[in-house]
Amino acid sequence: EVQLVESGGGLVKPGGSLRLSCAASGFTFSSYSMNWVRQAPGKGLEWVSSISSSSSYIYYADSVKGRFTISRDNAKNSLYLQMNSLRAEDTAVYYCARDEDRGGSFNWFDPWGQGTLVTVSS
Amino acid sequence: DIQMTQSPSSLSASVGDRVTITCRASQSISSYLNWYQQKPGKAPKLLIYAASSLQSGVPSRFSGSGSGTDFTLTISSLQPEDFATYYCQQSYSTLTWTFGQGTKLEIK
Repeated sequence: EVQLVESGGGLVKPGGSLRLSCAASGFTFSSYSMNWVRQAPGKGLEWVSSISSSSSYIYYADSVKGRFTISRDNAKNSLYLQMNSLRAEDTAVYYCARDEDRGGSFNWFDPWGQGTLVTVSS
Repeated sequence: DIQMTQSPSSLSASVGDRVTITCRASQSISSYLNWYQQKPGKAPKLLIYAASSLQSGVPSRFSGSGSGTDFTLTISSLQPEDFATYYCQQSYSTLTWTFGQGTKLEIK
């Protein structure tokens, strides 16, 4: 079964740091680009960051650029998000999601993990 | 960035109704459009990719159409389990993925 499991969320003070992890299983992790998407309480989905299969290409939303760093360890089938200089507006459930294309030119996110909650508050 | 606008933001309907949700892109995105369903407390689930392709395991009452800037998600006959929030997502520019703001489908 293809599965993504996030961990590392919690309560952190403004200005603090947190590192999220996403453990992948059931597929060849090293063959896929991966993404982080977040959802603030009661709000919609916001793409945060993407990383290609070999880490050659990395992209960030403007809202997190310079503060968040995405990385992966293909040997450990794991995706990471290092979050620094956290702000109240970063409070959200953070999901990891696989970038699927089935070899074609169209891409989509499937599957998604269950999410991990990050709360930034003093 | 490509902006995605869904309408309506919320919708009340009854079991058995036919429902249509619209998504408009700020520029042409060909057929690079996906639809997701999200239930409270759960992760989003892929329904439709490439504007009109039904994801495996998704009931055939769900369908997608459109190209260019205007897209629709249609549920032909609402079932109780379909009450959820629906999001569109453009995959034309994967340097900066963007989602619509969501459409909450509620029971009338």
